[in-house]
Amino acid sequence: SQKIEQNSEALNIQEGKTATLTCNYTNYSPAYLQWYRQDPGRGPVFLLLIRENEKEKRKERLKVTFDTTLKQSLFHITASQPADSATYLCALSNRDDKIIFGKGTRLHILP
Amino acid sequence: KAGVTQTPRYLIKTRGQQVTLSCSPISGHRSVSWYQQTPGQGLQFLFEYFSETQRNKGNFPGRFSGRQFSNSRSEMNVSTLELGDSALYLCASSTRTVYTGELFFGEGSRLTVL
Repeated sequence: SQKIEQNSEALNIQEGKTATLTCNYTNYSPAYLQWYRQDPGRGPVFLLLIRENEKEKRKERLKVTFDTTLKQSLFHITASQPADSATYLCALSNRDDKIIFGKGTRLHILP
Repeated sequence: KAGVTQTPRYLIKTRGQQVTLSCSPISGHRSVSWYQQTPGQGLQFLFEYFSETQRNKGNFPGRFSGRQFSNSRSEMNVSTLELGDSALYLCASSTRTVYTGELFFGEGSRLTVL
């Protein structure tokens, strides 16, 4: 069955460093991969979308890579700040219009 | 521009009852999709509506249903509630479809079934 795995444990990163979150998937051929941020008690907020034929995408301090051979996406936050502390979700979608989400990685940026 | 609005934000029901949740998408967005979020299963796709038609459905029993109105507002209904239906129900709207992404989520309706 289709499966997405994100870092199951919380990730603690020192302020100013780069945080790297991992999203691995199996039994799936996504056309799109997305990253969302979710704060406690709030709905997810869209961050970045990358297509299957793209290797990398950037937006301000955020960078996403997508390796369809390794079936993996890496999500980087450079110059991390305490305000970046949240849960980050990756999501895959394909041409049959279904979307599946990972369970998320809790990121803590330590001042 | 107003965001996605979900009502009610919190509700408590008992087993066997039914519940209707409402979602008003961002103006101009024709796609509305619904999700169930629980600590154990994470965020799971329920269904998507586009221009009043259900375009796709996740792996949930028939007790979960929805509809979309001509103004793109959507409702989802859960009948014969079970304890396991306790969750945060999120809706999201988009100018395109769930497939092509950039979903704008509401704050959710937190359902507790006793």
